[in-house]
Amino acid sequence: QVQLVQSGDEVKRPGASAKISCKAVGYTFSTYYIHWVRQAPGRGLEWLGVINPNGGSPTFSQMLQGRVTMTRDTSTSTVYMELSSLRPEDTGFYYCTRGLYSGDYDYWGQGTLVTVSS
Amino acid sequence: QSVLTQPPSMSGAPGQGITISCTGSNSNIGAGYDVHWYQHLPGTVPKLLISVNNDRPSGVPDRFSGSRSGTSASLAITGLQADDEADYYCQSYDQHLSGSVVFGGGTRLTVL
Repeated sequence: QVQLVQSGDEVKRPGASAKISCKAVGYTFSTYYIHWVRQAPGRGLEWLGVINPNGGSPTFSQMLQGRVTMTRDTSTSTVYMELSSLRPEDTGFYYCTRGLYSGDYDYWGQGTLVTVSS
Repeated sequence: QSVLTQPPSMSGAPGQGITISCTGSNSNIGAGYDVHWYQHLPGTVPKLLISVNNDRPSGVPDRFSGSRSGTSASLAITGLQADDEADYYCQSYDQHLSGSVVFGGGTRLTVL
């Protein structure tokens, strides 16, 4: 069945980077965009960016421009998101999800908790 | 401040119906972009309730329905049940934000 399997939880110091993986299972990797969404404690869902598994440059939220990169490995159907210069306010659950370019997310990864603390 | 505005909280008694609003602008909902709704229960991942053209994915009961008018959209829930208690988010696309997906701030639904 369709699954998006994310890497494990991470604890980072302020200023460090976190790189999360998202492996697509059970469907043709090229047929859906992969988006990243996060939820900070007590906050709502926040869109971070999108990557096309077929290639091209990812698109990022203006709020994270310059701190986020997204890459793909088509040989393993895996997408990676790296967030640099981490701040305590970056603490939260990070989800990968598949959908159209404009959203409509039908499957979600299980979530990766990133904790930024000194 | 979210691009899409939702009431922070709503409540209703079991069996009643409620409608959650999602107000946008002419660069997102008003421009005709689809509005999707998600249910997010504590400790779980968000679940798609309303897909393109206001369709419900398989397994979503017909107690949930979506509609839109102008720059706003709504999620109606009829026959409230205890397990409807969750956070609900609308989501659309904004053409003025460098190709950006946007979420509403979320509505916490309490079933009394």
